[in-house]
Formats: sequence, C-alpha cells, structure tokens
Amino acid sequence: DTAVSQTPKYLVTQMGNDKSIKCEQNLGHDTMYWYKQDSKKFLKIMFSYNNKELIINETVPNRFSPKSPDKAHLNLHINSLELGDSAVYFCASSPGTNKETQYFGPGTRLLVL
Amino acid sequence: GNSVTQMEGPVTLSEEAFLTINCTYTATGYPSLFWYVQYPGEGLQLLLKATKADDKGSNKGFEATYRKETTSFHLEKGSVQVSDSAVYFCARVSGGYNKLIFGAGTRLAVHP
Repeated sequence: DTAVSQTPKYLVTQMGNDKSIKCEQNLGHDTMYWYKQDSKKFLKIMFSYNNKELIINETVPNRFSPKSPDKAHLNLHINSLELGDSAVYFCASSPGTNKETQYFGPGTRLLVL
Repeated sequence: GNSVTQMEGPVTLSEEAFLTINCTYTATGYPSLFWYVQYPGEGLQLLLKATKADDKGSNKGFEATYRKETTSFHLEKGSVQVSDSAVYFCARVSGGYNKLIFGAGTRLAVHP
C-alpha cells in the first residue's frame, strides 16, 4: 500500500505554462509538506499544512500556490512556469508538528523547457 | 543560525569497509536529528533518528549518536554493502512546526 503518493511522476512542459502536482497520504496524518530538490540534490521546504491550515510558507515566488482540500491531500499549483522551476518536488506527511518523522512521497520530476 | 553541515561527497568505498559520514548542526536548544536516505530514482526514507542528547539511533546496521558537546550526529556503519549506495541526508527540526532543515547530502558509492 502506498503511504504518500504523488502524481504525476514526471512532468515536462513549456515555459509560461501552468501546471499542478497532486499529493495524497493514507496514513491518517494531520500535517503535510512540499519540498523542492534542485539539480544538486539540495532539499528545501516550501510549504506545510496542518489540518488544512497553512503553517509554513517559506520564501517562495507567489506563482506557487498550495491547496489542501482535506487533511489527506495537498496539491501544488505553479503558474507561469520558468526554467528555474525545474526540480524534483517531494510531498511529505507527519502525524503532527511535534518533532515527528516525516514520510516522503516518490517525488515529481518537473522539467521546464 | 539554524543549519546542518555534512561532509562533501562523493564517498567511494569497497564492500565491507567502515563508513563515517560527518554531520554537524547549529541550533538553540536540542532539536530532533534525523538521517534520511535516497536511493537512485526514489524518494527519501527515514534511516534513523534521535530526539534528545546522548540518544543513539540505529537501523539496518547504521548508527548515529546525538552529541550535544560537539553538536554532531555522525552516521556510521561497520561494513557497507553495494546496496547501501545512495545519497544520505542529515536533517534537524527547526521551529515549532516540524520544519526540516537538510544538509546538502552525501553521495555514497560502494563497489564490490
């Protein structure tokens, strides 16, 4: 059974397009996250939601907009894609926000041409 | 500031060699510390963790001890296998919302 799943796994698109990445967790967790991993493997948090409320919003261009329709889902919409958005985007979840282990999805590899 | 520093890779070892990957952190207080592993083409998996000073995390033959005196959480394994080839990330929790701060990652390549 997949714990944290993401779709699509690969996404190739043109500059200027708008795209969405979806994440779902079936672990019953309250907290979900989006991370970006660049070409040098460096990982940085972008957003986090707890019980559908935004709790972490790092310095991310406002072209990126997360949405959490319910506790089990956290989607990421990106407007006006740029070359620098090419990266692997990881979703993660944890039971709560008290120093807890985060469980990661398989990643979405985004390539902007 | 709040940061995590890992030794630069790649680390290349022969099978059955001893592994150490250094990790140090800066923080106020005593954050929970983690090692995550990323196998080629996959997402991150938790390898081990420690939540307070002097705790030792261990899993699959890997160990790391939370040393507050040296603010370190070095990863060790006594005898590596080819299947351990992956990128290893040290991380610490930052702030009140479980935000993870990652080190830059260390690539390990184990040869037969």
